[in-house]
Amino acid sequence: QLQLQESGPGLVKPSETLSLTCTVSGGSISRSGFYWGWIRQPPGKGLESVGLISYTGKTYYNPSLQSRVTISVDTSKKQFSLKLNSVTAADTAVYYCARLGGNSVHFDSWGQGTLVVVSS
Amino acid sequence: QSALTQPASVSGSPGQSITISCTGTSSDVSGYNYVSWYQQHPGKAPRLMISDVSNRPSGVSNRFSGFKSGNTASLTISGLQAEDEADYYCSSYTTTSALVVFGGGTKVIVL
Repeated sequence: QLQLQESGPGLVKPSETLSLTCTVSGGSISRSGFYWGWIRQPPGKGLESVGLISYTGKTYYNPSLQSRVTISVDTSKKQFSLKLNSVTAADTAVYYCARLGGNSVHFDSWGQGTLVVVSS
Repeated sequence: QSALTQPASVSGSPGQSITISCTGTSSDVSGYNYVSWYQQHPGKAPRLMISDVSNRPSGVSNRFSGFKSGNTASLTISGLQAEDEADYYCSSYTTTSALVVFGGGTKVIVL
């Protein structure tokens, strides 16, 4: 069974860079037709797609975050990563990593999520 | 990027049926059959309930069904149960650079 696990600092200072990694187990990260994504959820609010990456490195980013976001993939480690720079309190959220289903556009496997707080 | 539009809350009594709407545009909901629905209980990760407008993944109760007409998709929960009380989010493929857009979420209240 596919499992995804987020890891990274739970506290980031304003203006610094938020960095998270998602480790995939129980399945391949290199399957064609799948994308690996980051979705965030501010406390008490809804879901927001941050961005997606394929195992070949093709990316899609939320236009509202595009100037600050970089998503990368390391297939040898079965990991993909998120970097969000120049963070503010508005970036405080639970960050989920997830798999976008093959040849479709739905997230069929999710990590448990990790809370990142932006505060000095 | 504009989120898809969902009602803030929908309520119903046990055993009843309820429907949650999800309204988009020709750039997302009405243009493509890639609408999905997620259930989220407090403190938990979202769970896929419906994919590709009306497909139920293995393990999802047949009390959940999806439909789309024009720029509005809908999720119906029939035979409402206490365990169905949760937040529900729709999502769709979008032609913007994001590829995916979510709705604002609907809280389902079982009276």
